[in-house]
Amino acid sequence: DTGVSQDPRHKITKRGQNVTFRCDPISEHNRLYWYRQTLGQGPEFLTYFQNEAQLEKSRLLSDRFSAERPKGSFSTLEIQRTEQGDSAMYLCASSLSNEQYFGPGTRLTVT
Amino acid sequence: AQKVTQAQTEISVVEKEDVTLDCVYETRDTTYYLFWYKQPPSGELVFLIRRNSFDEQNEISGRYSWNFQKSTSSFNFTITASQVVDSAVYFCALEDNNNDMRFGAGTRLTVKP
Repeated sequence: DTGVSQDPRHKITKRGQNVTFRCDPISEHNRLYWYRQTLGQGPEFLTYFQNEAQLEKSRLLSDRFSAERPKGSFSTLEIQRTEQGDSAMYLCASSLSNEQYFGPGTRLTVT
Repeated sequence: AQKVTQAQTEISVVEKEDVTLDCVYETRDTTYYLFWYKQPPSGELVFLIRRNSFDEQNEISGRYSWNFQKSTSSFNFTITASQVVDSAVYFCALEDNNNDMRFGAGTRLTVKP
């Protein structure tokens, strides 16, 4: 499978715990995006990397959220001190030009 | 600020009917891109089309067609002769010069046999 992959697909955690998600983009894609999608809503932009540089961050990305793309390949999204409001699907997408290809997402449930 | 509005929350049709999903957008940029994505029950977003702001030519791809009207800031999507497999949530999205993509809230399409 040469598409965007995300790991894990599901994560259940207790409030206050830290979680980390991984995204592996399509190999030749230099741009990588993170989105959050809650039930009944469209994806909301969180952040965007071009190669290893983080170029845009949404106001949704509070100081509890951090994203990295250390070598311009895979990316991680970490949420510290999770809250119940963080429960959502976290989507990763990659692109070479303007066409974003999405991964299957990581569904986070904070209990 | 950018905004994408999909006024139709849910649409239900019977197989073989034609259906149009509406999308209205707001942006101050002169250069932008418009997209449609399909999200089937499996959850993965599937790219359908990208249109740049300078290309108002309508596009047809099989049973799918798109009508881009800059004058009304609309980018509507029509499925002709709908099929049960078309049942999904469809999202319209706008990407600005900063690669910031905004999605609409989506339209849930149910096609009944």
